[in-house]
Amino acid sequence: EVQLVQSGAEVKKPGESLKISCKGSGYSFTSYWIGWVRQMPGKGLEWMGIIYPGDSDTRYSPSFQGQVTISADKSISTAYLQWSSLKASDTAMYYCARSRDGYNIDFQHWGQGTLVTVSS
Amino acid sequence: EIVLTQSPGTLSLSPGERATLSCRASQSVSSSYLAWYQQKPGQAPRLLIYGASSRATGIPDRFSGSGSGTDFTLTISRLEPEDFAVYYCQQYGSSPTFGGGTKVEIK
Repeated sequence: EVQLVQSGAEVKKPGESLKISCKGSGYSFTSYWIGWVRQMPGKGLEWMGIIYPGDSDTRYSPSFQGQVTISADKSISTAYLQWSSLKASDTAMYYCARSRDGYNIDFQHWGQGTLVTVSS
Repeated sequence: EIVLTQSPGTLSLSPGERATLSCRASQSVSSSYLAWYQQKPGQAPRLLIYGASSRATGIPDRFSGSGSGTDFTLTISRLEPEDFAVYYCQQYGSSPTFGGGTKVEIK
């Protein structure tokens, strides 16, 4: 069974750094894209970016380029989303998701979400 | 970047009725790289439709997708109680984006 298990909720202050994780299991981690999706409170879904752990090919939405970093450690089947300096506007639920296959980047499998709260 | 506009914002219907949701793209979506997702409160989204018209694994056949180019439609033939949720379209060609969502609520 494919599973994506995300790290737990975080409460941070503005200016702090953060790295959240998404561990995949039940499939070949290096053969599918992993993406990150933001959902601000009461709002819709926003596509942030994706990574192909097999070769670390990474693509960002123009809206998130330079604001976050997506990475993966294939040795432990884990993808990451990180911020170097959080803002209050980063408060949101963040989902990781796996592509349906190795070529198309629609998302068949989703993590449970990580709630990030940034407040002074 | 392709902007996806979903309409209506909210659809108020009764169980058993037919739901028709629209997703319009600002530019043509290449190779019908258009997906639909369902999201219920407190849950992660669920993939319903990919390639504009192919049902994902385990999705009931009351859900169907159609369209090409810039105009796409998700149809739920007969609403079941568990279908009341928010629905998002997504284009996953170049620089993927999501639409703003349509909420299907009980009338």
